[in-house]
Amino acid sequence: GENVEQHPSTLSVQEGDSAVIKCTYSDSASNYFPWYKQELGKGPQLIIDIRSNVGEKKDQRIAVTLNKTAKHFSLHITETQPEDSAVYFCAEALNTGFQKLVFGTGTRLLVSP
Amino acid sequence: NAGVTQTPKFQVLKTGQSMTLQCAQDMNHEYMSWYRQDPGMGLRLIHYSVGAGITDQGEVPNGYNVSRSTTEDFPLRLLSAAPSQTSVYFCASRRSRAGQGVGGYTFGSGTRLTVV
Repeated sequence: GENVEQHPSTLSVQEGDSAVIKCTYSDSASNYFPWYKQELGKGPQLIIDIRSNVGEKKDQRIAVTLNKTAKHFSLHITETQPEDSAVYFCAEALNTGFQKLVFGTGTRLLVSP
Repeated sequence: NAGVTQTPKFQVLKTGQSMTLQCAQDMNHEYMSWYRQDPGMGLRLIHYSVGAGITDQGEVPNGYNVSRSTTEDFPLRLLSAAPSQTSVYFCASRRSRAGQGVGGYTFGSGTRLTVV
């Protein structure tokens, strides 16, 4: 079945440092890769996504890269701030119709001042 | 615009009891879904709906029923609660591919369910 591995499970950085979270997926047909941020007591919130016809996408301090050959995609956060502290989930889906998201197991990011 | 509203926020059930988790959205989204979130396992899809009157099973549907009589509401029913259903449940919605401004899923704030 479909599977998404996410690493690391926890990540601690100093404010201003960069953070990288990596995911590997198994379904070669997948072509949609979103990233969600979940703050304590809240539901996940989409922060960035990428489709398989694009290798990289940036939005201010956040970027996502995709290597379809290796079935890897990564989230990069630059100039981290304490408010970036949260749990981050990667996901993958076939980008047709409903999009059944398959989520990774999450990365708890802690940004220390 | 309230987004996706889930009730209740917390619930404790005894084994064998039944209950309904409520989900309502006011964004006129065609697609709605239920996920459960367990420690170390990410979110897993329980059931989903692509429009009123249409539902289908996700990855972990056993023990749960859904219906979609209106575009706005998508309740999740536990017919006979089991300790294995202790989890945090999230409802999510999205415009269909044919809709304007299609984006990612909007999640509710969750229902934390404990079955004892």
